[in-house]
Amino acid sequence: DVKVTQSSRYLVKRTGEKVFLECVQDMDHENMFWYRQDPGLGLRLIYFSYDVKMKEKGDIPEGYSVSREKKERFSLILESASTNQTSMYLCASSFETAIWGYTFGSGTRLTVV
Amino acid sequence: AQSVTQLGSHVSVSEGALVLLRCNYSSSVPPYLFWYVQYPNQGLQLLLKYTSAATLVKGINDFEAEFKKSETSFHLTKPSAHMSDAAEYFCAVSLDTGRRALTFGSGTRLQVQP
Repeated sequence: DVKVTQSSRYLVKRTGEKVFLECVQDMDHENMFWYRQDPGLGLRLIYFSYDVKMKEKGDIPEGYSVSREKKERFSLILESASTNQTSMYLCASSFETAIWGYTFGSGTRLTVV
Repeated sequence: AQSVTQLGSHVSVSEGALVLLRCNYSSSVPPYLFWYVQYPNQGLQLLLKYTSAATLVKGINDFEAEFKKSETSFHLTKPSAHMSDAAEYFCAVSLDTGRRALTFGSGTRLQVQP
């Protein structure tokens, strides 16, 4: 069964900490995405990557960065965590274009205190 | 800019009743449209997609959606609701084949009453 795996299901971090969220896919997908999900706002795109070491900003990149050193792994980095970054974070991957749809991970619920 | 609007953040139906979840999009070019479902504490799963073939698209679990260009709509329906359909549903749009990212609506939470 094909999978997108997010390393943590729940995470609690302190304000100001540097936080790493990891995502791994086993489908040889070109594209990988990070979204955050908040009630009433749906999913909002933070960053995506279409190739190793390549990235593009999404709709809400401020306060975040990403890293893709290998095709199967895409990391989201919160440089200095703040309470307004408390959210559900969803990773997804896809083939070349969105026409094929996404495969999602189960999500990481991050709480910043 | 592309956008997608889901009317109704919460919809409640009785078991066995028709399910109708509304989605409208804005686009100056033919879009690709998707419906995803999210069950509690899980990621999103693809229900169905429209990619410029037949305007009536059938998906999993007896869901279907009809693309109506004149109304810029892609509403999701199911003839008879089941308790297991209770979940959150997201409409998403991708404007063209070159665009890799999907834009999602705000979601509709479906409740099914016994």
